[in-house]
Amino acid sequence: QSALTQPPSASGSPGQSVTISCTGTSSDVGSYKYVSWYQQYPGKAPKLMIYEVSKRPSGVPDRFSGSKSGNTASLTVSGLQAEDEADYYCSSYVGSNNVIFGGGTKLTVL
Amino acid sequence: EAQLLESGGGLVQPGGSLRLSCAASGFMFSSYAMSWVRQAPGKGLEWISVIGASGGTTYYADSVKGQFTISRDNSKNTLYLQMNSLRAEDTAVYYCAKVVWGNNYRFESWGQGTQVTVSS
Repeated sequence: QSALTQPPSASGSPGQSVTISCTGTSSDVGSYKYVSWYQQYPGKAPKLMIYEVSKRPSGVPDRFSGSKSGNTASLTVSGLQAEDEADYYCSSYVGSNNVIFGGGTKLTVL
Repeated sequence: EAQLLESGGGLVQPGGSLRLSCAASGFMFSSYAMSWVRQAPGKGLEWISVIGASGGTTYYADSVKGQFTISRDNSKNTLYLQMNSLRAEDTAVYYCAKVVWGNNYRFESWGQGTQVTVSS
């Protein structure tokens, strides 16, 4: 199973919105609602930001939102803040108790 | 709040073995599935294995099937990963994670990771 496809980088100015895409296939993203997003600062552990396409765990700001259309999921960060600068990874269930991740997107706040 | 602390990483020669441990606290360990995820230098995340809450079910990524073994000791609140026949491409930071698995698939809490380097 190949990794999900994410753009290597994304950027935006403080206060703006930025959307990161995560493209899979009809066998993973397109077939399941189990898409998650993780935030990772350099040298730190990942943190769950979005699960089940669009649900936010307790404590995650509502500036973070998720959606899905067909084989592509998206993470939108609204009202960008300096602290949002990090790497973001998507993941999807692919069946048979298997999960794959995307290659990651480095978000830069200009 | 869940706390996970990995240990056991280090430098190992190709073909060698290593056992990683993950000590859990702050939650009912025996009620949750647990997983291992790795991250090679400068690369993305790769899921490698999951074990059910009781330890009775295990699943592996094709890349490590037959090479790695996941296990747990609920009496010690500890998760393990036995890694055999290690290769250079197994070099990575290995994270343990508390997961929701079965009726959902997400990695809820992560440890800080332990570095495994396979080199002669």
